[in-house]
Amino acid sequence: GAGVSQTPSNKVTEKGKYVELRCDPISGHTALYWYRQSLGQGPEFLIYFQGTGAADDSGLPNDRFFAVRPEGSVSTLKIQRTERGDSAVYLCASSQSGEGSYEQYFGPGTRLTVT
Amino acid sequence: DAKTTQPPSMDCAEGRAANLPCNHSTISGNEYVYWYRQIHSQGPQYIIHGLKNNETNEMASLIITEDRKSSTLILPHATLRDTAVYYCIVRVSTWHFGNEKLTFGTGTRLTIIP
Repeated sequence: GAGVSQTPSNKVTEKGKYVELRCDPISGHTALYWYRQSLGQGPEFLIYFQGTGAADDSGLPNDRFFAVRPEGSVSTLKIQRTERGDSAVYLCASSQSGEGSYEQYFGPGTRLTVT
Repeated sequence: DAKTTQPPSMDCAEGRAANLPCNHSTISGNEYVYWYRQIHSQGPQYIIHGLKNNETNEMASLIITEDRKSSTLILPHATLRDTAVYYCIVRVSTWHFGNEKLTFGTGTRLTIIP
């Protein structure tokens, strides 16, 4: 079946602009995660959705970052007033939920470059 | 989540077994051991996970010590396509909160030598 998809694959924007990054999870997965990865580092957690609600947003670095998942499927990560330090690969993952422990399936990522 | 310690890099000859160690000496009773890998320019790929018992699937085997303070990921017959960064992660899973975030370290860069 289809995996996690992310659009766009690459985004170049100017400092100060607003960007939106989209994630389409695997159908039926109620849990959705956003991470970001800087060069040479492991992915860093940003936010976790269970259905439509953000269950854990402790990784969002500041109030310029916001994410939504209005219908419990597609999610959008929004970054306002972008800064050069926001340049990174933004990864989305989804998983099943419920009792037990389930693996996360990752998308290919969106490479964001802020000039 | 508990922290993990992995060697920064390893080499393995093609066709041999690759054994990747991970130390997680502060692991709690409700934390699973997960392994992911990341091939260059791709998203992380799930490999295997376990709680107490050894696990095996079509990709790898996971050996967890009896005290759960360390584990080893085994790729039985390494190929060039196994060259990647391998991450060992310990992760809480509770029935109430479901499956929470993964906390990645810097992993082990495994290079398969032809």
